[in-house]
Amino acid sequence: DTEVTQTPKHLVMGMTNKKSLKCEQHMGHRAMYWYKQKAKKPPELMFVYSYEKLSINESVPSRFSPECPNSSLLNLHLHALQPEDSALYLCASSLLGHETQYFGPGTRLLVL
Amino acid sequence: KNEVEQSPQNLTAQEGEFITINCSYSVGISALHWLQQHPGGGIVSLFMLSSGKKKHGRLIATINIQEKHSSLHITASHPRDSAVYICAVPKSPFPYSGAGSYQLTFGKGTKLSVIP
Repeated sequence: DTEVTQTPKHLVMGMTNKKSLKCEQHMGHRAMYWYKQKAKKPPELMFVYSYEKLSINESVPSRFSPECPNSSLLNLHLHALQPEDSALYLCASSLLGHETQYFGPGTRLLVL
Repeated sequence: KNEVEQSPQNLTAQEGEFITINCSYSVGISALHWLQQHPGGGIVSLFMLSSGKKKHGRLIATINIQEKHSSLHITASHPRDSAVYICAVPKSPFPYSGAGSYQLTFGKGTKLSVIP
């Protein structure tokens, strides 16, 4: 199984809502990533978890809260988002650092 | 910090043509990634290569570590190859330390359109 799954595929939320994005992999990878991608731009790294511990936070606003409950699962909790947070949110995983990253299909988020 | 330049930014080809996309980077690395993204879709990792050449189907990737340059070739292009192709390299120079090994710098992508 060489797949990273993400749910939901699409999400529309208001600025006062609380929602969560979910990412799952069963490849035994110990590094998991959240990226944000705006239209026609390359992905921007948000967070990296290594062995279920947060190892990189790229100065992401606190309205985004990551969580890694176990080695297969990665969540991104969203609260009080702004319209400019509308983007494609991509999850990825890799065996370790500097290895091939396997990307999920993404969650397309629209904040109204 | 590694700088990545991709060319061309946009490429239109007729079905069946041989396609080349180029990527240059500024600092020494151990491996380079080629990624594919279809419109509105997620990203697929095509290759990770550290030397020489790799082939997968009609896709061939080459890298010259000394010249800090890589190319992605598509033989006998097909409309389903239409996508954005992205080159990515580690953000920090090799050898990596700690968190630096996880961070990639992405090129701006090459948008390929293959016309039937």
